[in-house]
Amino acid sequence: AQKVTQAQTEISVVEKEDVTLDCVYETRDTTYYLFWYKQPPSGELVFLIRRNSFDEQNEISGRYSWNFQKSTSSFNFTITASQVVDSAVYFCALSEARGDYKLSFGAGTTVTVRA
Amino acid sequence: DTEVTQTPKHLVMGMTNKKSLKCEQHMGHRAMYWYKQKAKKPPELMFVYSYEKLSINESVPSRFSPECPNSSLLNLHLHALQPEDSALYLCASNQLGANEQFFGPGTRLTVL
Repeated sequence: AQKVTQAQTEISVVEKEDVTLDCVYETRDTTYYLFWYKQPPSGELVFLIRRNSFDEQNEISGRYSWNFQKSTSSFNFTITASQVVDSAVYFCALSEARGDYKLSFGAGTTVTVRA
Repeated sequence: DTEVTQTPKHLVMGMTNKKSLKCEQHMGHRAMYWYKQKAKKPPELMFVYSYEKLSINESVPSRFSPECPNSSLLNLHLHALQPEDSALYLCASNQLGANEQFFGPGTRLTVL
């Protein structure tokens, strides 16, 4: 069975602060995919990143960066110099690499960035 | 075209009504998904269509009936819903091999 844990329910920061969202996962598969999605108040889930289980290279995209550590089964997400537009619910998700590629979502972390 | 569209955006219905939700994508994706999302919860998978065939039904009550008329369209027919079915209904698609699911904006359903 696959499981994703996002221990932080809510995080509140002041603009320009950095914020790190934790994600820990469990799976018996050797090949799998990890994702982060952003859900702003409008409701649409926006795809941010996909990481394959065999690729532990960290990634940076603008103010966003991701740290994948297979040894600790973690896939953490950092927003640098946060902005009000970053306020949203962020979901970490895990997918099997077969069949219909079902997504298992974490509970989500609500990030509020105050001006 | 890299988007998934859903109609209507909002829907209010009574418990005896019959209505349908519609989802469309023109990315050539061969898998399409319906999710239900309650407030402050993650999306819950309801159905998966793979190559236009229903491949997963996550024990969803029969008052929800999915339909995939072609590779670009996905419908969710609603009948005799309960107030607890009020939620955001999200549609998604993916290319299977490429793996990330692309989500539509959702339909906010209220059952009175």
